[in-house]
Amino acid sequence: GAGVSQTPSNKVTEKGKYVELRCDPISGHTALYWYRQSLGQGPEFLIYFQGTGAADDSGLPNDRFFAVRPEGSVSTLKIQRTERGDSAVYLCASSPGTDGELFFGEGSRLTVL
Amino acid sequence: GQNIDQPTEMTATEGAIVQINCTYQTSGFNGLFWYQQHAGEAPTFLSYNVLDGLEEKGRFSSFLSRSKGYSYLLLKELQMKDSASYLCAVDAGNNRKLIWGLGTSLAVNP
Repeated sequence: GAGVSQTPSNKVTEKGKYVELRCDPISGHTALYWYRQSLGQGPEFLIYFQGTGAADDSGLPNDRFFAVRPEGSVSTLKIQRTERGDSAVYLCASSPGTDGELFFGEGSRLTVL
Repeated sequence: GQNIDQPTEMTATEGAIVQINCTYQTSGFNGLFWYQQHAGEAPTFLSYNVLDGLEEKGRFSSFLSRSKGYSYLLLKELQMKDSASYLCAVDAGNNRKLIWGLGTSLAVNP
């Protein structure tokens, strides 16, 4: 597609479960970012990929969070043993490089009950 | 520390002009972005400033003063569809790992 695609758009899960969120960036964009946005807040940086490698994962809140981008395109954000505080909209963005604007997907809304 | 400040809420009238201010204190600076976000939707890019001065793009303009750590977004000829949250974000020199303000919720009234 023409834009950044994220699936699922909505995910409701129970505390303690494992969740995967997928991001399909704009074709040809080498940089991919994951952000998390809680209600009434600005996005909060989680992790950034340049190609296949995680160039900066300093925003991941703890070791329950992990993200991969094995072929330099699609990325998956993985959350283990989910907690209620993980509930947020998880935004993915891509960019042609590291000096351009970020193009955001619609987000995946995660609700942990 | 890193800090981005912008007003929480603003109200304006259809057809009018509104200015949304943003002040920042960051460890470095490699550009300032303005994004628009409608409720339940992703942020969409409005403008980018890296040098001092005014950038004009249709009804929207953005201004930057690096020495003052200050930017504003100017919206002219307001339309009802401009009701949204406006987010100021700074690249503190870290590969577009943006630092975001909390957003300014703008309500445009008829």
